Amino acid sequence: AQSVTQLGSHVSVSEGALVLLRCNYSSSVPPYLFWYVQYPNQGLQLLLKYTTGATLVKGINGFEAEFKKSETSFHLTKPSAHMSDAAEYFCAVSDEGNTGKLIFGQGTTLQVKP
Amino acid sequence: NAGVTQTPKFRILKIGQSMTLQCTQDMNHNYMYWYRQDPGMGLKLIYYSVGAGITDKGEVPNGYNVSRSTTEDFPLRLELAAPSQTSVYFCASKERVTDTQYFGPGTRLTVL
Repeated sequence: AQSVTQLGSHVSVSEGALVLLRCNYSSSVPPYLFWYVQYPNQGLQLLLKYTTGATLVKGINGFEAEFKKSETSFHLTKPSAHMSDAAEYFCAVSDEGNTGKLIFGQGTTLQVKP
Repeated sequence: NAGVTQTPKFRILKIGQSMTLQCTQDMNHNYMYWYRQDPGMGLKLIYYSVGAGITDKGEVPNGYNVSRSTTEDFPLRLELAAPSQTSVYFCASKERVTDTQYFGPGTRLTVL
């Protein structure tokens, strides 16, 4: 069965600092991996995804993530945090069937301090 | 193009009451999903559908029912509300050939 673990339920950075949100997955087949962002009282919005091909994936708002098969990781980074990045971030893996079901991690709340 | 819409936005139920959470998408997506979000738990799949007339259970289906009579609509039914069903419910949809799910704004349900 597939699973996702996000390391750290809360991450706090200063404005302008590097953002690093960690995600590890388990899957017996090549995974499809996603990062979603949720702003307060809103639904989830896709930040970026990895399906096949280039392992460094760029998304919206300056975020990127690198798929590392050997480490079973898909960490999310942004070189310089902005106050507007404060939100909850979810890593997800698509199921091994053909149904497109997503298995989510527990979520990481990003706080950005001025 | 409204995307995925959910009604109501908020609802308070008493234990034992029933209700239907509505979900509609206008993107002609075949696949639709219902998730619930509990604090610190991420999102868990309740039910999903791969097309009109076809539904299947997800990870946490107990206490819920669904139907899919049209491509656009995927209502979620709670028959006997329990406090454990207090949560935020999200509906999502996607095309058959792509892998990106589009989420609605959610319904916040409290059962007292």
